[in-house]
Amino acid sequence: KAGVTQTPRYLIKTRGQQVTLSCSPISGHRSVSWYQQTPGQGLQFLFEYFSETQRNKGNFPGRFSGRQFSNSRSEMNVSTLELGDSALYLCASSVRDRGGYTFGSGTRLTVV
Amino acid sequence: QKEVEQNSGPLSVPEGAIASLNCTYSDRGSQSFFWYRQYSGKSPELIMSIYSNGDKEDGRFTAQLNKASQYVSLLIRDSQPSDSATYLCATMAGGNEKLTFGTGTRLTIIP
Repeated sequence: KAGVTQTPRYLIKTRGQQVTLSCSPISGHRSVSWYQQTPGQGLQFLFEYFSETQRNKGNFPGRFSGRQFSNSRSEMNVSTLELGDSALYLCASSVRDRGGYTFGSGTRLTVV
Repeated sequence: QKEVEQNSGPLSVPEGAIASLNCTYSDRGSQSFFWYRQYSGKSPELIMSIYSNGDKEDGRFTAQLNKASQYVSLLIRDSQPSDSATYLCATMAGGNEKLTFGTGTRLTIIP
């Protein structure tokens, strides 16, 4: 069974640019969440989608957005990149509410 | 006060011994509790979930939950060098699919 797939694995962007990250959840998983991991702040929740609807949102600025498609695949977008956005971005999916989330390998974003 | 607190370690345990990892949380609305293992350079891997007070065992791992004390723990029996990793405690409140993570405890198993 395929796991959570995130693309690309690595990205280098310049300040002010925008970026789109992609996530394909495990087949049958309809809940998809995004997290940011940095050495200083640890793992922080960005948002969660279920059936193409954003159900939960973390405390990140509006530059961070996401969406989910009808096949449960999800994308997140960060506009006007800042140096502080450099982080590992993790996507996770779950088959049911309150269930454990399975994480993808992540996208390592570096903003220069 | 952080919502989920863990001792950052490092915690060093001899091979074959029991490793005990602890976590406290502040949100009394928390209903689901998880332990993730994260190897250096890798993503978190779910190893245990627990929802009700008491113990839950899975192989060498035992999760313990005490909601009255707002305390979750993970015991690893017969520790192996491959258990060396950072262990993350996470909670989830009812009706909210948001995982709140602690900063993790770095565990080193000494051969």
